Amino acid sequence: EVQLVESGGGLVQPGGSLRLSCAASGFIFSSYWMNWVRQAPGKGLEWVATIKQDGSGKYYVDSVKGRFTISRDNAKKSLYLQMNSLRTEDTAVYYCVRDFLGFDYWGQGTQVTVSS
Amino acid sequence: QSALTQPASVSGSPGQSITISCTGTSSDVGNSNFVSWFQQHPGTAPKLIIYEVTNRPSGVSHRFSASKSGNTASLTITGLQAGDEADYYCSSYTSGSTTFGGGTKLTVL
Repeated sequence: EVQLVESGGGLVQPGGSLRLSCAASGFIFSSYWMNWVRQAPGKGLEWVATIKQDGSGKYYVDSVKGRFTISRDNAKKSLYLQMNSLRTEDTAVYYCVRDFLGFDYWGQGTQVTVSS
Repeated sequence: QSALTQPASVSGSPGQSITISCTGTSSDVGNSNFVSWFQQHPGTAPKLIIYEVTNRPSGVSHRFSASKSGNTASLTITGLQAGDEADYYCSSYTSGSTTFGGGTKLTVL
């Protein structure tokens, strides 16, 4: 069974940093592109970042470029999102998402709240 | 990276059919074979219901179908059921970037 379990969310002040993690199981992690997608309270979905199987290609939405870094450790079957210079508008549930013929498996999400 | 345009809400009675549109541009929907649709019930993660414009993942009801014409993709749900009441999102992938629609709330009357 495919499972994606996010962790690392929490409350942080504007300008602060957080590192999200996603533990994958039930599939060959190193074979898939992986993504982070977020959803602000009461709002729609927003793609945040994508990373290729071997980490050679990384893509970001314009609003997080230069502040967020997506990475992965295939040996640990884990996906990460390092978030720096956080803003109030980054407040959202962050989902770890597998990419195979579409975003086919989603984690349960981890809440990130940026507030003073 | 502007959001794709979806109607904010649609509604229908049980047994009826509804269609949700998703309008983009020639830079995204119009030039992408990677249009997807997602269903999200309150408090849960989204679920993929259509991928690559028209394909249903295993386990998704045949009542869900989709198409694309020009810059607009469409999701049709036939035989509406109470459990179909949810938020629906389209997405389009092009050159490393994914764009979502703003979402459509489906109410089953």
